Amino acid sequence: AQTVTQSQPEMSVQEAETVTLSCTYDTSESDYYLFWYKQPPSRQMILVIRQEAYKQQNATENRFSVNFQKAAKSFSLKISDSQLGDAAMYFCAYRNAGNMLTFGGGTRLMVKP
Amino acid sequence: NAGVMQNPRHLVRRRGQEARLRCSPMKGHSHVYWYRQLPEEGLKFMVYLQKENIIDESGMPKERFSAEFPKEGPSILRIQQVVRGDSAAYFCASSPAWGGQDGYTFGSGTRLTVV
Repeated sequence: AQTVTQSQPEMSVQEAETVTLSCTYDTSESDYYLFWYKQPPSRQMILVIRQEAYKQQNATENRFSVNFQKAAKSFSLKISDSQLGDAAMYFCAYRNAGNMLTFGGGTRLMVKP
Repeated sequence: NAGVMQNPRHLVRRRGQEARLRCSPMKGHSHVYWYRQLPEEGLKFMVYLQKENIIDESGMPKERFSAEFPKEGPSILRIQQVVRGDSAAYFCASSPAWGGQDGYTFGSGTRLTVV
């Protein structure tokens, strides 16, 4: 079974600064997808960014980018130019070939004005 | 194109009652997944369904919990004889048959409170 670990329960960043959220996973599969989801107080799960394991190039979506290290099984999220609206819970998730999505325990991001 | 619709948004049940949570997947999606989120925790997988078929229920408690996704109508997560420990947010997600590269589309969740 796959496991996803987020070692930072809470992180804090100053507005306009950059923050990196960590995620590691354990798998014996070679083909899989990785995701970062944002969950604001509204509880809605919002897809932030995705990465296909077979792609070496790190995914980027505007101010969000990932550092995908396949050999190390690491998938960190970098948020640049942090905004107050970025404050939320962030969940790293792994999806295997069988469509099963496994979540990490989450990191609460606080943004200081 | 409506997203994943879950209802009710909030549900309060007394201990011993039954809770029924509904989920209508996104149009064109044939796979449904149910997750449970306890306060300050991540989402835990419960069950994965296709129409009229349970694919994986390894995360579902063996007693009191059941799920279905009939040929017509929404998917239903049913919790019988609820206890205080069942209080949580229950999320439904859907995907196309092949999974899709966008992960799942999630509903807004049903917050169940057992009093």
